[in-house]
Amino acid sequence: DIVMTQSPVTLSVSPGERATLSCRASQSFSLKLAWYQQKPGQAPRLLIYDASTRATGVAARFSGSGSGTEFTLTISSLQSEDFAIYYCQQYHAWPLTFGGGTKVEV
Amino acid sequence: QVQLQQSGPGLVKSSETLSLTCTVSGGPMRSHHWTWLRQSPGKGLEWIGYVYSSGTTHYRSSLESRLSISIDTSQSQFFLNLSSVTAADTAVYYCAGLYSNVFEIWGQGTMVTVSS
Repeated sequence: DIVMTQSPVTLSVSPGERATLSCRASQSFSLKLAWYQQKPGQAPRLLIYDASTRATGVAARFSGSGSGTEFTLTISSLQSEDFAIYYCQQYHAWPLTFGGGTKVEV
Repeated sequence: QVQLQQSGPGLVKSSETLSLTCTVSGGPMRSHHWTWLRQSPGKGLEWIGYVYSSGTTHYRSSLESRLSISIDTSQSQFFLNLSSVTAADTAVYYCAGLYSNVFEIWGQGTMVTVSS
């Protein structure tokens, strides 16, 4: 299985600041990487697919980049509604696997 | 807009079968692969398996011997059955629509506790 490792586990930022979240894969692949946002008591929500394409309705302040084994989710200017847990997911190989998440908090 | 609504018991006895239903509305069942995932503090988010509208299935290998995912397109529903459950199967279970191997649509989640 491809192991996805996210860092940091917790990221403390202030509203208006930039947040950079990392996701590392145990095997190299090209662009088959998605990002999800999960708020307490809710299901995850798709933000980014193909490493850098925003899903429908996702704000432009969310951007994704990377390939190979290193991927990044950037939130350019954090809004109050962005404080949540973020997960990466690879879909290069079965089984589909997720990272352990990064909690973005104030 | 496709939406998913989950139903099923939140408490299952150890060694019995966990059964959940997911109802699809707002779109055709051939639009996605219909999948189940679970989330627990110990294992994080874990893909369980999927079923397509044709009935084709693909399961996580570690669960395959206990797992059955099926579909009823006439009722716009798909189902999860996980047999011989133990405490390790306690988790929040989600149904989701998989499109190009991305979890595009999610159900609301069902917390399932396995009791002894």
